[in-house]
Formats: sequence, structure tokens, C-alpha cells
Amino acid sequence: DADVTQTPRNRITKTGKRIMLECSQTKGHDRMYWYRQDPGLGLRLIYYSFDVKDINKGEISDGYSVSRQAQAKFSLSLESAIPNQTALYFCATSDGEFYGYTFGSGTRLTVV
Amino acid sequence: QQQVKQSPQSLIVQKGGISIINCAYENTAFDYFPWYQQFPGKGPALLIAIRPDVSEKKEGRFTISFNKSAKQFSLHIMDSQPGDSATYFCAASMGGGFKTIFGAGTRLFVKA
Repeated sequence: DADVTQTPRNRITKTGKRIMLECSQTKGHDRMYWYRQDPGLGLRLIYYSFDVKDINKGEISDGYSVSRQAQAKFSLSLESAIPNQTALYFCATSDGEFYGYTFGSGTRLTVV
Repeated sequence: QQQVKQSPQSLIVQKGGISIINCAYENTAFDYFPWYQQFPGKGPALLIAIRPDVSEKKEGRFTISFNKSAKQFSLHIMDSQPGDSATYFCAASMGGGFKTIFGAGTRLFVKA
């Protein structure tokens, strides 16, 4: 099993719909992150969480919300999807001492 | 002041050649500089990283060169192979990794 699992892998949804992307990890890391990848823009931070009771906005949090259900689970919601939220979404974890991230395989989201 | 500028956007190298990707940062508070490698359909994976107290780090065919005074760092891939064809992201981190800024990415293609 992958260290960081994202579901679904692909999703097409309609404008205005609510959608949830899920992430679970087996690394035992406290820190979890949601990033968005767009061509030519790299990876931009949406939200991050350092433990179950700690949620923080990132660079581009407008239109998104998150829930940290357990140490191992961190979900991202689009309350009312819009076409410019079409992107690749990645969940990542880190242990805070070693700065490197472990990324999931991503969710490709298309909003039509 | 939070940007990380990465160049080139794309790179084509002959098999056996040297691939060089450059990044520049602005904020001197960054204290960890990782490079990630991403294959199609996969999440980025940590490739190699350096801290600003050293000027070079080598792992196999991959070398990071770091110039603290110029606020620049680069990835060198020696003896480039077709299997190295991927997108490479540089990044700059601080605060135990919670603030990580990614470059826009470089698509490398190694011709056989």
C-alpha cells in the first residue's frame, strides 16, 4: 500500500456541486498538506494541518475547506466547485524534523 | 519575497549529457532547499536536498550546487538517461517545512 493514498484519482464534476477529496497516510506523520498543481505555476499550498486540532490556511484557501478527521486522514472540500478549480490536487505529509514531503499520487479534478 | 524562480521551463538533453536546472530565491529565512522529481501520473518525490551551510551535495548522478550570497541553487544531472525524463521542481522551505515555496517546474526530456 502507498504511504499516502488519495481518492478519487480522477473526478469530473459540475459547476456548483460540492465535492470532497480524501487523503490517508500510513507514515505516522503529524503534518499534512493539500497542494494544487497547475501547469506553469508549480505547487501552491491550499491548507495545512500540524495535528488534529490545528488547521491553517495556505496561499490559495478561498473556495476550499478541510477537515482533519484523525492523525492519518485529511480531506479537502470544494463547497461549490467552479471551472477555475480544475487542477491536479496533491496531499502530502511531513514529520517536521526532516523537511521533505511525501506526496500522494494526486487527484485530477475537472469542473465543467 | 516569497517567490522561487525556476528556469528553464523545459529542457531537452542528449543521453549521456548534463542537465542543469536553476532556481533563485529571495527570502534569506529559507533554510532547506529540496528538489522533487515527478513522473506523469505520480506525485512529486523528494530527490535530493541541501541546507545553506554547504555549497554542494552529491547523491549518485544528482548534484545540488548552492550559492548563498547569490541566493541561487541548481540541480545537475550527470550522464542523463531517458529514465530521468520527468518534471523537476525546486523548493525553498523554512519553519520545519511548514512554509515551502515551489518553483514552477522544469520538464526534462532526455533523448535516447
